[in-house]
Order: sequence, then structure tokens, then C-alpha cells
Amino acid sequence: DAKTTQPPSMDCAEGRAANLPCNHSTISGNEYVYWYRQIHSQGPQYIIHGLKNNETNEMASLIITEDRKSSTLILPHATLRDTAVYYCIVRVGYSGNTPLVFGKGTRLSVIA
Amino acid sequence: DAGITQSPRHKVTETGTPVTLRCHQTENHRYMYWYRQDPGHGLRLIHYSYGVKDTDKGEVSDGYSVSRSKTEDFLLTLESATSSQTSVYFCAISRDQETQYFGPGTRLLVL
Repeated sequence: DAKTTQPPSMDCAEGRAANLPCNHSTISGNEYVYWYRQIHSQGPQYIIHGLKNNETNEMASLIITEDRKSSTLILPHATLRDTAVYYCIVRVGYSGNTPLVFGKGTRLSVIA
Repeated sequence: DAGITQSPRHKVTETGTPVTLRCHQTENHRYMYWYRQDPGHGLRLIHYSYGVKDTDKGEVSDGYSVSRSKTEDFLLTLESATSSQTSVYFCAISRDQETQYFGPGTRLLVL
């Protein structure tokens, strides 16, 4: 069973920031928060991950609350190509035999 | 993007026939994975490999076998295809078990 809760869908205007929330209230101390997205008919694409500090890369920022029970993925300037299903996944970091468990995710629609 | 290719990209086969899907990487990553994706189930791990000739089962391994004779190739074989194995199959690779990168997928239809 997925350990995360995400809203099923969200809309965002093109050029605005997209803020995607994720609840993971049962996260353990050694579990990371990963974000992937899947554009229609393509393979999942890694976005970002973090343990407890906020993280930023060329694609997005990840904000994790101090108690680590929730996080937010931020796409700073959403474009139409960011329309996808976004998955928040909680997983022990260095664990090859622990699969990525994809829940239902959030379907983000970026609107022109 | 990680250098991962999957072949074939689409395949139609008949029940009872063996099918082999290939995943090829150019990243020299140690870990490789096979997932299947079905509506209502998300992605589920079939098998994974942690090195040449080293493989282990995932949560939905029944009816599937794998082989890895060299670092760059990970083969998934459906020994006798069934209609329940109609799915989209994704290969993934990882350098250090931390982050997995996915291939473009293979769409398999078993009639």
C-alpha cells in the first residue's frame, strides 16, 4: 500500500508556480521522499528527492516540513509540457530490493 | 536522459507463446529492474538485478524469468504468455540503489 496521500488532480496556469502537496504522516526516520512524474505513454521520470532538508534542482524544489509528515513539490514556472501525473513516493534510500511503490498520484493539468 | 532503450516497443503475441523483452543501458549502472504498469495497480516490480548473473524476485514474478549475462542487458522472458500479462513493461536502472531511471516502455498485447 502506498504510504502517501496526494490530491487526485490539480490545475495550474502556464507560467505560474505549481505547488503539489503530499502527506506522508507515517514516514520513518530513514525514509526519503521521492517525486517522479509520468507524461502520457512515457516512462516515469525522476524529478527530485530529499530526506529532511529542502532540495532544489533544475526541474523543481522540494519543501519538507520540519516534522517530515508532509512535503510540497514546486515547479516554479509551469509549462504545458509539465502536464503529467506526479507521484510522491516514500522509500528507504539505499535499498535495491525495495521497489518504488507508485500510488495514484496527482494529475497536473497546465492550462494556457 | 539516462541511456536506456527497450525492445521491442510494441508486441502482439498469442497465448502460450514465449516472449522476451530486452532492456539495454549505456550508463554502466549496476542495478536494473523490470516493472509492469496496469490500470488500477500502478507500477509493480517483477524482477530486479543487482549485478551480472545476480537477480531476485519482485512482488509479481510468477510467470516471468530474467537473465543478465552482461552489465548492459537485462532480459525479461514470459515463459508462456497469458492474457493477464498484457501490460506496459518498464525497465529501470540505478547506479547506487537510490534513484531509478526508467526506459520508454514496451506495450505487450497477448491475444
